[in-house]
Amino acid sequence: DTEVTQTPKHLVMGMTNKKSLKCEQHMGHRAMYWYKQKAKKPPELMFVYSYEKLSINESVPSRFSPECPNSSLLNLHLHALQPEDSALYLCASSQGLAGLNTGELFFGEGSRLTVL
Amino acid sequence: DAKTTQPTSMDCAEGRAANLPCNHSTISGNEYVYWYRQIHSQGPQYIIHGLKNNETNEMASLIITEDRKSSTLILPHATLRDTAVYYCIDRGSTLGRLYFGRGTQLTVWP
Repeated sequence: DTEVTQTPKHLVMGMTNKKSLKCEQHMGHRAMYWYKQKAKKPPELMFVYSYEKLSINESVPSRFSPECPNSSLLNLHLHALQPEDSALYLCASSQGLAGLNTGELFFGEGSRLTVL
Repeated sequence: DAKTTQPTSMDCAEGRAANLPCNHSTISGNEYVYWYRQIHSQGPQYIIHGLKNNETNEMASLIITEDRKSSTLILPHATLRDTAVYYCIDRGSTLGRLYFGRGTQLTVWP
């Protein structure tokens, strides 16, 4: 299994809603990532987990709250988002941290979020 | 921030080799160069990576100059399905930080 599975594929939410994005991998990878991608822009790094611990937070607003319940799962909890947060949210995993010889990232297909 | 520079767009005829250049003049001696691509509306896909030697896999070849300041990704026989944005990346200041630049939009035409 070389897949990273993200759910839901599409999500529409209001600014007062609370929702979560989910990501799952069964490759035994110990690093997991959240990226955000706006239309016609490159992916932007948000968070990095290594061995289920948050190791990098790229100064992301607190309305985005990541969680890594176990080595296979990564969640992104969303609360009080703004319309400008509408984007494609990509999850990735890697055996070793990005930058190492084993650091190639496997990406999911993304969750497309629309905030009304 | 991304420290690589790539042409904004390139074209290639189907069946011909596509050679995508990348400058990474500030790369450190122990940093790998990674290549990914993103087909429209899909997640990025890993292609290949290298440190100082040339690398080849089933998808592509990677040629890294001796001074490591630039590299070229080669798709030996481009197909229409290779139309995508190709990203050349080196890692950020710490392990785990992989920053995507704007990449090269490769269009393969029949």
